[in-house]
Parts: sequence; C-alpha cells; structure tokens
Amino acid sequence: AQTVTQSQPEMSVQEAETVTLSCTYDTSESDYYLFWYKQPPSRQMILVIRQEAYKQQNATENRFSVNFQKAAKSFSLKISDSQLGDAAMYFCAYRSGNQFYFGTGTSLTVIP
Amino acid sequence: GAVVSQHPSWVICKSGTSVKIECRSLDFQATTMFWYRQFPKQSLMLMATSNEGSKATYEQGVEKDKFLINHASLTLSTLTVTSAHPEDSSFYICSAWDKALADRDTQYFGPGTRLTVL
Repeated sequence: AQTVTQSQPEMSVQEAETVTLSCTYDTSESDYYLFWYKQPPSRQMILVIRQEAYKQQNATENRFSVNFQKAAKSFSLKISDSQLGDAAMYFCAYRSGNQFYFGTGTSLTVIP
Repeated sequence: GAVVSQHPSWVICKSGTSVKIECRSLDFQATTMFWYRQFPKQSLMLMATSNEGSKATYEQGVEKDKFLINHASLTLSTLTVTSAHPEDSSFYICSAWDKALADRDTQYFGPGTRLTVL
C-alpha cells in the first residue's frame, strides 16, 4: 500500500532563515508524482512544487526546492529566506495513476 | 489558470436536513474530481473520486447513500450530505484535475466548504 509519512508535526524557522520539511513515502510503483501543498489559515490548498519520479533533477520554484531521493523514497522540501507568509500547514502528497495520498502535515511557524 | 471554486463556503443546517455543495472548475474541464473531508488540524481524508458521466468511487468506510456525489458535466461536481447530523460537521474540500492540462498530474483545490450541523 502506498503511504506518505511526515514525521515532523510542527516546525519553526526564523524569518529569512532556511527550513527543511521531511517526507517519506512507500510505493512499489516506478511511475509516480510527488507534490508539496501549502494550506494557510484560509484553508485553501495551494500547490507549492511538484516532482516527477522519472526526473533525476530536483524541482525548484523560487525559494522552494526539493531533495528527491528516489532510492530512499524521500522527498523533502527546503524553504529558503523564509517569510512570514510561509507560515502554514504543509502537506506532502503522492500520486500514481488516479490515486492521491497525503501525509499528515507539518505545521510551520515563522518567527519574526 | 486551473481555478476551482466551491459553493457555499460556509453552511449551517439543522440536523436531518440535506445540504448540497458545488464544486466547479472555472477555466478547464475536469474529467476527474475528488472530494475530501478535513477535521481540524488533520490531513485530508479522501471520500470519493468522481469521473464525469460515471458513478463515483467511494473510499472504504464512506457511506455512498449519505454522501451523494454527482459529476454531471466536465465542470461541475456536487456533494450532497443527506440527513445531516452533527458528526457530519467538517470542512469539505473538492479538487479537480484533467489530463489535458499542461501540468496534468496536479490536483487543483477548491477553497473548501465549512459545514456545521446543529
């Protein structure tokens, strides 16, 4: 069965610093996709970044980047130059075929 | 692009009544829509997957007769909570995706609907 694990229920980071959120997943599939979603207090889910499993190059989106370790089934999110607006719940997600699986989330606090 | 709307954003109803929540893809056609339920400070729980023109596929433990899902068009899916009870109070989120999108493997989420059953 596919599962997604986020082992950090809460994280905090000083404004302008860097923080890494961890995510591991379990799958027997070779073709899949990984995502990080952000859910701010408004509760609107916002796509942060996505990674195709067949791509070796780590995805980046401005201050957000991932460290994708396929063999280790690890998919961490690095947020550089953290801003107050980055404070939110972050969910790691896995997709294969028509199935999506979400982790339990990491609550990120940004300290001014 | 890839905007998903939900209506209403918040609904309060009496126990025993039915409530309909609409999910629309505004600028794309969504062959597949998902319905999730989220409790406070918890992750999203997938309730069902619906494909346009066919019956929804419900996750284990989700009562299909209580949570009626209709995906009658490529831009609209509805979730009807029938005979709602206080334990149905929750945050309901829909999402949509379509293989025709450039980033076709990505789900796009609606803003959610808060249901409170008195």
